[in-house]
Amino acid sequence: AQKVTQAQTEISVVEKEDVTLDCVYETRDTTYYLFWYKQPPSGELVFLIRRNSFDEQNEISGRYSWNFQKSTSSFNFTITASQVVDSAVYFCALNRGGGADGLTFGKGTHLIIQP
Amino acid sequence: DSGVTQTPKHLITATGQRVTLRCSPRSGDLSVYWYQQSLDQGLQFLIQYYNGEERAKGNILERFSAQQFPDLHSELNLSSLELGDSALYFCASSEQGFGYTFGSGTRLTVV
Repeated sequence: AQKVTQAQTEISVVEKEDVTLDCVYETRDTTYYLFWYKQPPSGELVFLIRRNSFDEQNEISGRYSWNFQKSTSSFNFTITASQVVDSAVYFCALNRGGGADGLTFGKGTHLIIQP
Repeated sequence: DSGVTQTPKHLITATGQRVTLRCSPRSGDLSVYWYQQSLDQGLQFLIQYYNGEERAKGNILERFSAQQFPDLHSELNLSSLELGDSALYFCASSEQGFGYTFGSGTRLTVV
């Protein structure tokens, strides 16, 4: 069975601080995909990134960066110079790829950016 | 606008009733997935349809059922509703399962 653990239930930081959201996953599949989604207060789920299990290269997109480490089964997400608009619940998710089965989500991390 | 359309946005109904949630996938996507988001269970995968056929089942209750029509839109039917079924129900679509686009959700309140 697949499992995603986001140990941080809530994080509160002051604007412009850097913040890292942790994600640890469990799977027996050799091919799998990892995702991050953002859920702002308005409720929709916004796709941030997808990473496959064969690509351990870190990725940076603007203020966002992701660190994938297969050795520790982690896929952490860092926001640099956080902004109030980054306040949301962030979900890490996993699936075995190819469209079979849906996503297994973590419980989410509620990120609060204070002005 | 994600391209995935869910209706209605809000639904209030009484216990024991039956409701139908509708989802139109993004143009070109053949797969539709249904998810339930509740405070105690979090985000859970319910069921997947691919081009009209059921493809995978997650934690879907027997009181719940879904189908996907020839025009690829999907409906999730929830019956004998209980207070605990109150949740946000999301639909997502995907072309080949490598990326998932979510709709804005239907908030169901059972009173």
